[in-house]
Amino acid sequence: AQTVTQSQPEMSVQEAETVTLSCTYDTSESDYYLFWYKQPPSRQMILVIRQEAYKQQNATENRFSVNFQKAAKSFSLKISDSQLGDAAMYFCAYTSYSSASKIIFGSGTRLSIRP
Amino acid sequence: NAGVTQTPKFQVLKTGQSMTLQCAQDMNHNSMYWYRQDPGMGLRLIYYSASEGTTDKGEVPNGYNVSRLNKREFSLRLESAAPSQTSVYFCASSDPGTAQETQYFGPGTRLLVL
Repeated sequence: AQTVTQSQPEMSVQEAETVTLSCTYDTSESDYYLFWYKQPPSRQMILVIRQEAYKQQNATENRFSVNFQKAAKSFSLKISDSQLGDAAMYFCAYTSYSSASKIIFGSGTRLSIRP
Repeated sequence: NAGVTQTPKFQVLKTGQSMTLQCAQDMNHNSMYWYRQDPGMGLRLIYYSASEGTTDKGEVPNGYNVSRLNKREFSLRLESAAPSQTSVYFCASSDPGTAQETQYFGPGTRLLVL
């Protein structure tokens, strides 16, 4: 069975600094997608970034980038120039091509930003 | 374009009462999902509908039923609410045909069962 593990329940970073959130996953599939979702206090789930497993190039969205290590089954999120609005729960998630889009979520990392 | 909408935003029930959570999407997506989120945990899939007219169980389906009314709407029903069903419920939709496999979420419904 596929699993997603986030080993950091909480992280804290100084405003304008860089922080990396860790995620590992387990799967026997070769074709899949990985996601990072942000959940601010409003509870809305917001897609931050998406990575297709077949792509070797790491995905980037403005200040957000990932380090995708397929062999190690690792998918970390780097947030550069952290801003107060980045404070939220961050969930790593996985879905495979064969799973009818069923997403498996990690338990989340709560990120706080120190002004 | 409202995306995914959910009603109600908040509901209090007594044990044994029934209710239906409503979800609608205006993105013409084929697939829709219901999740629950408990404190300190990620989302867990309750039911999903890969296309209009089909529904399947997810990870935690017990105590729930769903109806895919049409392509836009996917409702979740609690026939006899229990305190263990106190949670935040999220509806989501996606269109796997685009090969994006990205799910778009509604704002959530907070349910408290006393």
